[in-house]
Amino acid sequence: QVQLKESGPGLVQTSQTLSLTCTVSGFSLTSYHVSWVRQPPGKGLEWMGRIQSGGSTYYNSALKSRLSISRDTSKSQVFLKMNSLQTEDTAIYYCTRDHWYFDFWGPGTMVTVSS
Amino acid sequence: DIQMTQSPASLSASLEEIVTITCQASQDIGNWLAWYQQKPGKSPQLLIHSATSLADGIPSRFSGSRSGTQYSLKISRLQVEDTGIYYCLQRYSNPPTFGSGTKLEIK
Repeated sequence: QVQLKESGPGLVQTSQTLSLTCTVSGFSLTSYHVSWVRQPPGKGLEWMGRIQSGGSTYYNSALKSRLSISRDTSKSQVFLKMNSLQTEDTAIYYCTRDHWYFDFWGPGTMVTVSS
Repeated sequence: DIQMTQSPASLSASLEEIVTITCQASQDIGNWLAWYQQKPGKSPQLLIHSATSLADGIPSRFSGSRSGTQYSLKISRLQVEDTGIYYCLQRYSNPPTFGSGTKLEIK
């Protein structure tokens, strides 16, 4: 069955770089897009960006200067890197299968940005 | 960016009641709208896609409709397990944007 799981550090220092990994199973990264969505504590959902099945990437313009999404298809992994972190980047980060809609989600990983 | 204005922000209803949540798009998005349910501590779950199509495994008491640029999620015969926060999402254009959410609780 389709599964996604995020992993990464729970705590990152301000101004540092966040690196997250999304490991997928039950589908191929060369057939489906994967998006990253984040949710600050007690707040709503924000689309961050996606990597398409062909490898192209699209980013939210609000984050574009800080964000990079890549993948390793042989390992079924998608990577998110975001630099210059600030406290407002504290959030749960989700990866989702992006098939017209976000149809499957990982459980999310909480990232706290602190000085 | 397309703005999705969702209402109400919160809602309290009784078991078996019918509830309706709406999203107003800032421009035409056709049927490129989805609804999600998020329970505490969980990731969002797709309920409705393409404005009116029920996602796999979702009970038929959930339904979606469209009138112009206004979209509605209706829950018939409210159940205890329907508690949570509901979000709409537009996929008409990039970036995909979510409504601000509706918190539904059972009286």
